[in-house]
Amino acid sequence: EIVLTQSPGTLSLSPGERATLSCRASQSVSSSFLAWYQQKPGQAPRLLIYGASSRATGIPDRFSGSGSGTDFTLTISRLEPEDFAVYHCQQYGSSLTWTFGQGTKVEIK
Amino acid sequence: EVQLVESGGGLVQPGGSLRLSCAASGFTFTTYWITWVRQAPGKGLEWVANINQDGSEKHYVDSVKGRFTISRDNDKNSLYLQMNSLRAEDTAVYYCARERRCSTTNCYYYFDYWGQGALVTVSS
Repeated sequence: EIVLTQSPGTLSLSPGERATLSCRASQSVSSSFLAWYQQKPGQAPRLLIYGASSRATGIPDRFSGSGSGTDFTLTISRLEPEDFAVYHCQQYGSSLTWTFGQGTKVEIK
Repeated sequence: EVQLVESGGGLVQPGGSLRLSCAASGFTFTTYWITWVRQAPGKGLEWVANINQDGSEKHYVDSVKGRFTISRDNDKNSLYLQMNSLRAEDTAVYYCARERRCSTTNCYYYFDYWGQGALVTVSS
């Protein structure tokens, strides 16, 4: 089973700053099967990025995804107040099951 | 508008049973895989189980195999999760979500719509 490890656990930044979130897989992952979600307290997750780099409908272009193989990155170019949340990466594996990373919390510094 | 609405959560004693439901609307239910994801208090997301369009293929995370059963009723546009032999570690918010897989032009796998979640608490 592929394990996804997200880092850092918590990212403390100010509005306007750039956020770089990492998702590292224990084995190579197809980019087509790598997605990112945003979750705010008390809410369901919301799809941000699919296929490692494609923005979901309605997602602002300050969000971007990149990477391949075992290393993937979610970048928020300039943090807006509404971007402070928890971010999860996810992959679909050859075992026909899904796994998530443990999440990265982006908090206001 | 796509909507997924969970129900059936609540407090149950260890060893007990509970059935969650997920009512779908706003899309052609019979053409999608549907999945259950849970989130323990203060923890990350954990995929639990999924089911294909006609219910003939199901997959589970190892920790619930033999205890949980996923099913669907396409006539009622509904998904279910029968949870037996519940343990304290099953305490979580349970979300249903719609899976996206291959289209006619590409194959990307992700969850595009989620319900609001149902809280299951296993405690004596």
